[in-house]
Amino acid sequence: QKEVEQNSGPLSVPEGAIASLNCTYSDRGSQSFFWYRQYSGKSPELIMFIYSNGDKEDGRFTAQLNKASQYVSLLIRDSQPSDSATYLCAVGMGSGNFNKFYFGSGTKLNVKP
Amino acid sequence: EPEVTQTPSHQVTQMGQEVILRCVPISNHLYFYWYRQILGQKVEFLVSFYNNEISEKSEIFDDQFSVERPDGSNFTLKIRSTKLEDSAMYFCASSEARGQETQYFGPGTRLLVL
Repeated sequence: QKEVEQNSGPLSVPEGAIASLNCTYSDRGSQSFFWYRQYSGKSPELIMFIYSNGDKEDGRFTAQLNKASQYVSLLIRDSQPSDSATYLCAVGMGSGNFNKFYFGSGTKLNVKP
Repeated sequence: EPEVTQTPSHQVTQMGQEVILRCVPISNHLYFYWYRQILGQKVEFLVSFYNNEISEKSEIFDDQFSVERPDGSNFTLKIRSTKLEDSAMYFCASSEARGQETQYFGPGTRLLVL
């Protein structure tokens, strides 16, 4: 069974702080890792992806991947109230031509003004 | 910016009825997917589609479900005889190429089966 695990939260941080979101996955063959943001009742919106071990930065967001530990994280610097949402970790497990995504249940982030 | 679109945004149907959910993927994308999300639960993979055929399907995607690309732009999901447990948000996604490509999600269709 291929699993993607996330803390459901809620994770509460004050405005301006760093929010740290974590995700573990079970399949060592996983090749691609994505963070999506989902507002209530809306669709997943891509934040960033990471394929290689290490850190990848995009604006206020940094994704970190450690394939040996089967762990991926997302750091949000200078958190804003508008960042309050559920953050979904998606792991791509390729099968031939396709990259089927397995999603975690999401971590709810509350950024308090 | 190109985006995936879906219609209708909401669909209410009676148990046992057929529904067709429609999606227009991003125009240069070749790989298409359907996912569903039951309220309060994870986003779950249903099916992937390429070159006019199903590439992979999950155990959820049983004989009640079918997908089709009836023309050059639309991608549809049909549920032949809806059950109460089919009530969920259905998301269409598309990606440009195979492998590790990012999937972009449409806004979803909220299906309610009564």
